[in-house]
Amino acid sequence: EVQLVESGGGVVQPGGSLRLSCAGSGFTFADYGMHWLRQAPGKGLEWVSLISGDGGTTYYAHSVRGRFTISRDNSKNSLYLQMHSLRTEDSALYYCAIDIRGIELWGQGTLVTVSS
Amino acid sequence: QSVLTQPPSASGTPGQRVTISCSGSSSNIGSKTVNWYQQLPGTAPTLLIYSNTQRPSGVPDRFSGSKSGTSASLAISGLQSEDEADYYCAAWDDSLNGVVFGGGTKLTVL
Repeated sequence: EVQLVESGGGVVQPGGSLRLSCAGSGFTFADYGMHWLRQAPGKGLEWVSLISGDGGTTYYAHSVRGRFTISRDNSKNSLYLQMHSLRTEDSALYYCAIDIRGIELWGQGTLVTVSS
Repeated sequence: QSVLTQPPSASGTPGQRVTISCSGSSSNIGSKTVNWYQQLPGTAPTLLIYSNTQRPSGVPDRFSGSKSGTSASLAISGLQSEDEADYYCAAWDDSLNGVVFGGGTKLTVL
């Protein structure tokens, strides 16, 4: 069974940093691109970033470019999102997801709250 | 403001057919395929339709997708109470070099 489990969320002050992780299992991790997405409380879905299966190609939403970095360690079946210079508007439930037929399978998310 | 435009709400009675529209542009829907997602209350989104019209296994054939030009639609026939959820369209955008979503449509089954 395919599983994605996010971790690393928490409360951080504006301007702070946080690193999210996503552990994948039940599939050949290195074969698939992986996404990060987020959803602010009561709001819609927002795509954040995409990384190719070999980690060589990355894409970012304009809202996070230059502040967030996506990476992966295929030897550990893990995906990461390093977030710097966090803003209150970055507060959201962050999901990782597998790219199969587009964004296909989602984890359950990890909550990030940016507040002083 | 979302790149793809969806109506914020839709409603229908059990057994009815409802459609949800998704409007984009030539850099996204006009040149790329559209996916639809269902998000039940308190849960993560799930893939409902991919490549404009295709259903993943396990998705009832009551759900169907279509695309024409720079717009796409999701149709739900034989509406059931368990269909009450938020629905999102998404597509890759060549100008933004990323995935864009619609703002979501909250479906209420009356």
